[in-house]
Amino acid sequence: NAGVTQTPKFQVLKTGQSMTLQCAQDMNHEYMSWYRQDPGMGLRLIHYSVGAGITDQGEVPNGYNVSRSTTEDFPLRLLSAAPSQTSVYFCASSYGRVGEKLFFGSGTQLSVL
Amino acid sequence: GENVEQHPSTLSVQEGDSAVIKCTYSDSASNYFPWYKQELGKGPQLIIDIRSNVGEKKDQRIAVTLNKTAKHFSLHITETQPEDSAVYFCAASYQGNTPLVFGKGTRLSVIA
Repeated sequence: NAGVTQTPKFQVLKTGQSMTLQCAQDMNHEYMSWYRQDPGMGLRLIHYSVGAGITDQGEVPNGYNVSRSTTEDFPLRLLSAAPSQTSVYFCASSYGRVGEKLFFGSGTQLSVL
Repeated sequence: GENVEQHPSTLSVQEGDSAVIKCTYSDSASNYFPWYKQELGKGPQLIIDIRSNVGEKKDQRIAVTLNKTAKHFSLHITETQPEDSAVYFCAASYQGNTPLVFGKGTRLSVIA
């Protein structure tokens, strides 16, 4: 059972480039979310989804887009990368309630030069 | 919105001693409080959670206490071991129906 799978594990971008961080879960969880982790800032919510076709913004949504076309996948898109988006990104999923018993992926470390 | 403060940011203890991490929350409507452990290079993992209808919950060497009146909750780890070394995050939610708001984390180091 793979759980929550994030790809890639590491990525380096130049300012202005775009890319998509992939997240897939095989636990049939309704709820999925994206967090970013910065030193001294903890985990901050970017976007979340309560089911296929339904997404909502979190605390720090600017510069990121999401979509949820299937239950399994929840990609995070950076439209025009900025150095301020250098961070470690975590995808999480949960069953039953959006804020309860989250399962996290192993993260994507992104550097924007 | 909810704001969760966590202290201390770093904590060093001798192996076998106890460790306590404290969190305060701002929204009195919050009633679900989980704790996550993040080992180096990995994603956070849920280790224990508590709801506001319970004042204390234990799981082996780990316990969480909640003071609703003061709006604070704490993680207690007894008989610490080197494998307890990690970053610990507290969080809060309204019945688990709202996204979690996390504290900034505590880096615990257990010295052998």
